[in-house]
Amino acid sequence: EIVMTQSPATLSVSPGERATLSCRASQSVSSNLAWYQQKPGQAPRLLIYGASTRATGIPARFSGSGSGTEFTLTISSLQSEDFAVYYCQQYNNWPPLTFGQGTKLEIK
Amino acid sequence: QVQLVESGGGLVKPGGSLRLSCAASGFSVSDHSMSWIRQAPGKGLEWVSHISSGATIYYADSVRGRFAISRDSAKNSLYLQMSSLRAEDTAVYYCVRRGSEIFYFMDVWGKGTTVTVSS
Repeated sequence: EIVMTQSPATLSVSPGERATLSCRASQSVSSNLAWYQQKPGQAPRLLIYGASTRATGIPARFSGSGSGTEFTLTISSLQSEDFAVYYCQQYNNWPPLTFGQGTKLEIK
Repeated sequence: QVQLVESGGGLVKPGGSLRLSCAASGFSVSDHSMSWIRQAPGKGLEWVSHISSGATIYYADSVRGRFAISRDSAKNSLYLQMSSLRAEDTAVYYCVRRGSEIFYFMDVWGKGTTVTVSS
């Protein structure tokens, strides 16, 4: 089973600033990685797939990068609606599909 | 409009059973791979089970032998039959659609249904 590790667990950033979230895989997942955003009381929403492709309707301030075992989600200029929990998920080797434990992005 | 709506959650005693349903609209569940994902209170996301368009089925080790995934094309619905429930099965259960036939990211999520296992 591929273990996904996200860091930091909590990230405090001011609105308008850049946020950088990290995700590491225990073995290479190529570019088979997705990012999701989850707000309190809501289902997760797909942001990024293929490590760097934005899903339909996702603003350009969200970008993904990386391949192999190291991945990054960058939010270029934080808006109030971006404060949420973010999860990465690998789909290179499955079953099982595996998620990181999440990074909570909070207002500084 | 593409949508998934789960139902069937509730309070059940340890050892009991429950059947979750997921009604799809805007697409056919038979034409897509589907999964159930769960989230324990205050915790992260855990994949539970998968059924492909060709009816290949997989389960997480934590539920294999206790849960059964199925679908009904006529009702355009996905199901999760859960038995021998344990306290650690307490979670919000999401029905999700696979976003690509090649890659397994999840592009459509239901709002979830809550399962509580407690005496």
